[in-house]
Amino acid sequence: TAGITQAPTSQILAAGRSMTLRCTQDMRHNAMYWYRQDLGLGLRLIHYSNTAGTTGKGEVPDGYSVSRANTDDFPLTLASAVPSQTSVYFCASSEEGHGELFFGEGSRLTVL
Amino acid sequence: GQNIDQPTEMTATEGAIVQINCTYQTSGFNGLFWYQQHAGEAPTFLSYNVLDGLEEKGRFSSFLSRSKGYSYLLLKELQMKDSASYLCACMDSNYQLIWGAGTKLIIKP
Repeated sequence: TAGITQAPTSQILAAGRSMTLRCTQDMRHNAMYWYRQDLGLGLRLIHYSNTAGTTGKGEVPDGYSVSRANTDDFPLTLASAVPSQTSVYFCASSEEGHGELFFGEGSRLTVL
Repeated sequence: GQNIDQPTEMTATEGAIVQINCTYQTSGFNGLFWYQQHAGEAPTFLSYNVLDGLEEKGRFSSFLSRSKGYSYLLLKELQMKDSASYLCACMDSNYQLIWGAGTKLIIKP
């Protein structure tokens, strides 16, 4: 079972460039999330989607956008990357309203 | 504001018992979750408490006191593979998870 697949696993990006991190799940979960994880900080929610066609802003949404055209896919786009967006990004999914999240393997992004 | 506190790092000996504490202050409460995260890997779900008391699952147990805003994760018969970070998370009134920074557990032989 694939669960959640993220791509790419790592990327080095020049500041000012755009980038889309891909996330696909095969569990038919309604809720999906994008988090960033930085050393010494907890997971911080960037954007979320409770169901296909809807999205919401999390704790740190600035500089990021998402879309949820269908149940399975939840891409995260950085329109113009800045060095402070260097981080490990995790996509996750869950049954709506439930705290048992299933995470992808993460995407390590370095913005220079 | 919303806040989750847990120790940054703990060290324990193989075969021993360790307790990782977590205190929380959130807007509303819809459950307390513990996740395990090995270095370089994704977090994986360990346990869920929504009522006061102890939930046991093999070598791992999790305790909750809602009146004290307090939880702990108890790991027994420690194994080297238990070396990981343990993340405490609380679900608030909007059903969003608020995460602690994690406790790095180092197991020594």
